[in-house]
Parts: sequence; structure tokens; C-alpha cells
Amino acid sequence: KQEVTQIPAALSVPEGENLVLNCSFTDSAIYNLQWFRQDPGKGLTSLLLIQSSQREQTSGRLNASLDKSSGRSTLYIAASQPGDSATYLCAVRDYNQGGKLIFGQGTELSVKP
Amino acid sequence: DAGITQSPRYKITETGRQVTLMCHQTWSHSYMFWYRQDLGHGLRLIYYSAAADITDKGEVPDGYVVSRSKTENFPLTLESATRSQTSVYFCASSEPYRGSYEQYFGPGTRLTVT
Repeated sequence: KQEVTQIPAALSVPEGENLVLNCSFTDSAIYNLQWFRQDPGKGLTSLLLIQSSQREQTSGRLNASLDKSSGRSTLYIAASQPGDSATYLCAVRDYNQGGKLIFGQGTELSVKP
Repeated sequence: DAGITQSPRYKITETGRQVTLMCHQTWSHSYMFWYRQDLGHGLRLIYYSAAADITDKGEVPDGYVVSRSKTENFPLTLESATRSQTSVYFCASSEPYRGSYEQYFGPGTRLTVT
């Protein structure tokens, strides 16, 4: 059964720092991987989606990579800002579970001014 | 405003009562989903629908009922609410655009069962 893990559970960095959030999954049979942002008390906002055939996707200061064979994805945030403070979740669309999204527990990011 | 909306945003109900959470999307996406989010469990799929009149169970369907008579609406009913169903409920939708099935989420409904 697919399991998605995000480490660390929480991260605090000073403003301006570049940072990397990690996501690992146990079964490489995935259609794609999606990164979301969740602000406190809010819904999930889709940030990036990487198809299983792709290696990376970029949007502004965000870059997500995917290494399907090793079961790993990273979300790189350049020049972090206090407004980036949120919980970041990754989810894989699992081939063997009818295409359902399997979520990690998230990394809570705090960017200090 | 276009997108996906949920109502009510907050609800307090008593054990044993029937509660219906509403979800509406304006994109005409074929797929719709219901998740619950709890500390320590993350997001778990309750039910999903591939099209109007087609629904299927997710990971935690017990105690919930769904229907989808129209593409844009996907209500979730708790037939007899229990305290263990206190949670934040999210509705989502997706469409197989270029095979991506990227999911878009509503703002959530915070449900408390007393």
C-alpha cells in the first residue's frame, strides 16, 4: 500500500533563505505528484503538478523535482518570504489505487522576518 | 466567483443528528471528491464521483452517504453524526486535462459534533 512521508514535520528559517522540502513515497507506480500549500484554517492550493514522465516543474520561486525510481520529490523555494509560511503537502496519484491521491502529513514552514 | 465552494463553513451539531455538507463547482469538472482532515491522520478520502450518478467509496466511507444528481453538486450527508466525525471536511474536483487530473480544493467545512 502506498505511503507518503514528509520530513521534517516542521521547519523554521530566516527570511531570504533558500530551502528544500522533502517528500518520499513507497511505490513508484504513480501517475503524477502534486504539491499543495495550506494556510491555517484554509483549503489546499495547488502549487505544482509533476507528471510521472517529467523530472521537474517550475512556477516563479518554486521548483519541484521528481525521481520516481527512488520514490522522492523535493520542493525548492528560493528567497523565502514571511508570506511563504504555511503547511506544504505532497500527494501522489497512485496507479494501483484507482488513481486516488495519497497525501503526506505535511511540512509546516515558518519564515521569520 | 467561479471555483469550488462549500457550505456551511462552520457547523455544530449534536450526536445522532443528520447533517448535510454542500459542495458546488463551476468548472464542470467530471470528478469530485470528499476528504476529511484530522490531526495525526492527514487527509483521507471519504467518497468520490467520476460523473453524475457515479460514486464510489474511498478510504473511510462508513457513516457517510453521497449523491451526485448534477455534475456541479456533490453533497455529503452524515446520517447519524458521531463525535468521531468531528473534523474539517474538504471537497475537491478535477478533470483529466492532458491526463493530469490536477485536484482543486474548496475552503473546507469545520464540523463539530457534540
